[in-house]
Amino acid sequence: GEEVAQTPKHLVRGEGQKAKLYCAPIKGHSYVFWYQQVLKNEFKFLISFQNENVFDETGMPKERFSAKCLPNSPCSLEIQATKLEDSAVYFCASSNSRGGYTFGSGTRLTVV
Amino acid sequence: GQQVMQIPQYQHVQEGEDFTTYCNSSTTLSNIQWYKQRPGGHPVFLIQLVKSGEVKKQKRLTFQFGEAKKNSSLHITATQTTDVGTYFCAGASNTGKLIFGQGTTLQVKP
Repeated sequence: GEEVAQTPKHLVRGEGQKAKLYCAPIKGHSYVFWYQQVLKNEFKFLISFQNENVFDETGMPKERFSAKCLPNSPCSLEIQATKLEDSAVYFCASSNSRGGYTFGSGTRLTVV
Repeated sequence: GQQVMQIPQYQHVQEGEDFTTYCNSSTTLSNIQWYKQRPGGHPVFLIQLVKSGEVKKQKRLTFQFGEAKKNSSLHITATQTTDVGTYFCAGASNTGKLIFGQGTTLQVKP
């Protein structure tokens, strides 16, 4: 399809619980990116993939965050033992090598 | 690390007035992209600039990339209420990830 599909739209977790977010990139796009948007505006890069391979993971808090992009499956971002500060909107985006990201609608994670 | 600064943070204009947002990078960029995010929405790609000194237009929007490829601007002529939203510049790093500016939120009074 021509859109990046993110699920769920909203997710509420108690502190310490696990959260798992999903992203189906546009077919034919070989790059997938995850960003965290906090305080309405600030975008924090988390991780990128080229096909199923991690391309850049310099933004990932490695102790609790993990991500995968497996063939024939949606990509996923998992947060173990969520903390209050993980509350944010998580955006997935995909692109081909020519640039210009297509963003999904985001998953709003609320940790209570 | 690489940083992209964007000003102003907010801009309120009367409908019909012009609007400009400015973006400055701490390092030379391979390209710069601009996105628009409506309230409650997701960023939507507007344009990519690659060449030094490049100027591109999309109807009432004019995008510029500086000669040193470290700064950029977006200018909207005669704003309309449909222009409301937050405009982000984003510089591409050498690994392809985008470093976003803080965004400029535009409010247009009818």
